[in-house]
Amino acid sequence: SQTIHQWPATLVQPVGSPLSLECTVEGTSNPNLYWYRQAAGRGLQLLFYSVGIGQISSEVPQNLSASRPQDRQFILSSKKLLLSDSGFYLCAWSGGAVQPQHFGDGTRLSIL
Amino acid sequence: ILNVEQSPQSLHVQEGDSTNFTCSFPSSNFYALHWYRWETAKSPEALFVMTLNGDEKKKGRISATLNTKEGYSYLYIKGSQPEDSATYLCAPRAGSNYKLTFGKGTLLTVNP
Repeated sequence: SQTIHQWPATLVQPVGSPLSLECTVEGTSNPNLYWYRQAAGRGLQLLFYSVGIGQISSEVPQNLSASRPQDRQFILSSKKLLLSDSGFYLCAWSGGAVQPQHFGDGTRLSIL
Repeated sequence: ILNVEQSPQSLHVQEGDSTNFTCSFPSSNFYALHWYRWETAKSPEALFVMTLNGDEKKKGRISATLNTKEGYSYLYIKGSQPEDSATYLCAPRAGSNYKLTFGKGTLLTVNP
């Protein structure tokens, strides 16, 4: 069966520090991968999605970036975090055009 | 960016009550509609993916209908139980890209 792992579960970082969140999927090949963020009081916002290795689509201009160095690995990064980057980050995968998305457990990111 | 509206924003019902809520979305360029359940301290769980106008799907006591011509979907829960308490999210997909746009959700609380 397919599983998705996302870490860390919680993270407290100072403003201006770098960020790296990692997500891996097991039990499937060539998944579509997604990074979402839920800021306080807001809905889930798509940040990036990827349909293959090295292919990243960015949905929202920001100081975040994403990379997909391997088929089942998706990384969310920042060189310098802002206060507005605080939120709950979710990684997800799907198997095809009309397949549901399956979410990781999320990372709660607090910026101080 | 799609305009997705879910109503009501929150709902309190008694155990055993049946309830329903609405998701409205632009009808143009419709591709698919997803429903997810998001329980506190867990990750979103896929309920349904719907694509056809007039489609009706059922999973236990939960069912959903879809009207793509007028741009809405209803989610029904029959005989609500406390374990149904969660935020219910809808997410339409427009066109052939892989992007879902999530509504802010309906928070359902079922009192025992």
